[in-house]
Amino acid sequence: NAGVTQTPKFRVLKTGQSMTLLCAQDMNHEYMYWYRQDPGMGLRLIHYSVGEGTTAKGEVPDGYNVSRLKKQNFLLGLESAAPSQTSVYFCASSYLLRVSYNEQFFGPGTRLTVL
Amino acid sequence: KNEVEQSPQNLTAQEGEFITINCSYSVGISALHWLQQHPGGGIVSLFMLSSGKKKHGRLIATINIQEKHSSLHITASHPRDSAVYICAVNQGGSEKLVFGKGTKLTVNP
Repeated sequence: NAGVTQTPKFRVLKTGQSMTLLCAQDMNHEYMYWYRQDPGMGLRLIHYSVGEGTTAKGEVPDGYNVSRLKKQNFLLGLESAAPSQTSVYFCASSYLLRVSYNEQFFGPGTRLTVL
Repeated sequence: KNEVEQSPQNLTAQEGEFITINCSYSVGISALHWLQQHPGGGIVSLFMLSSGKKKHGRLIATINIQEKHSSLHITASHPRDSAVYICAVNQGGSEKLVFGKGTKLTVNP
């Protein structure tokens, strides 16, 4: 099992460009999450999904969109990249043991730089 | 004020020392998580607990719900334990995690 994978691992964008980050999990997990990690700050939730076809906003959703058309995939889109979106992005997934008691499994991260 | 506070921010130890990292939180929680992030960036879950104590090898996690406090202990520390340790909580009935800023541990040989 590959666990949680992320594509790409690194990307450099120019301001205004768009891109999509792909997260895939092979553990049949219901829940999937997108986080960003910035120096001096804890991981912050961008968007999450509690099942196929559902998405919800997290703490810092502005400038991002997501889709979960298939249970195993969770896509994060940047429509018009800004330098403030330079960050390391992590995807995570979890099984539904209980709604508020669920271990999360993380992908390796995507390092994004917006010039 | 961050809802999840960790201390210390940075910790340097000599190989073999006993290490304690602390986490305090200000909200009602249903679970607390300890995560490890290695220099390469990958994040792995170490513990998930809602009461008492858990132990995996040289790592021990404890939680005191009344005091809203958790500790992560590492016995007989080793340079390979060098990493950032992150505390996170499920607030109340939420499936979302709130994260602390992490504690950077360096263990010197």
